Amino acid sequence: DAGVTQSPTHLIKTRGQQVTLRCSPKSGHDTVSWYQQALGQGPQFIFQYYEEEERQRGNFPDRFSGHQFPNYSSELNVNALLLGDSALYLCASSLAVDGTETQYFGPGTRLLVL
Amino acid sequence: AQKVTQAQTEISVVEKEDVTLDCVYETRDTTYYLFWYKQPPSGELVFLIRRNSFDEQNEISGRYSWNFQKSTSSFNFTITASQVVDSAVYFCALSEPGSNTGKLIFGQGTTLQVKP
Repeated sequence: DAGVTQSPTHLIKTRGQQVTLRCSPKSGHDTVSWYQQALGQGPQFIFQYYEEEERQRGNFPDRFSGHQFPNYSSELNVNALLLGDSALYLCASSLAVDGTETQYFGPGTRLLVL
Repeated sequence: AQKVTQAQTEISVVEKEDVTLDCVYETRDTTYYLFWYKQPPSGELVFLIRRNSFDEQNEISGRYSWNFQKSTSSFNFTITASQVVDSAVYFCALSEPGSNTGKLIFGQGTTLQVKP
């Protein structure tokens, strides 16, 4: 049973650049959520995708956007990178029943913005 | 507003000691879910347990046990006879009430170091 996978594992970018992170959900899951975890902090919800649409969004600027594909995989795009975007980006998958299903996380992508 | 507080930033114990990680939450809703996740140095959040607000039974899984008390809005996690492999950051989380997405609200995490 394949778990949640994310790519790449590490990424280094410079300010102003754009980045795309990828996530494949756990087998059987149809919903993907993205979280940002700054160093020493708990993860913060960015947004969630279900049926290729954004269902809910956290307190993040429009520079953060996403996409979900018909096979349920997802991308997180960040434009005009800032130093403060340096963080671990975690993807979680679940079944979109009524929000009560457990979210299972991938290993994350560590983004460093110089 | 919904909030999760893990007051213990870091805990250090010697192997075989018991250790309890505290979690206090705030919510206005009567239906909600609480979670514990473990984050080893590799970074992946590993799911440990989910508890709904109507089930206050304590749960035991091997060396792990959880104590849920609605009266004090606490959901504490105890590791019995700790081992070096238990060293990690542990997060308590609350699913946002009324949200169909199950958005998680995390505490700041407690770093547990188990020394041999």
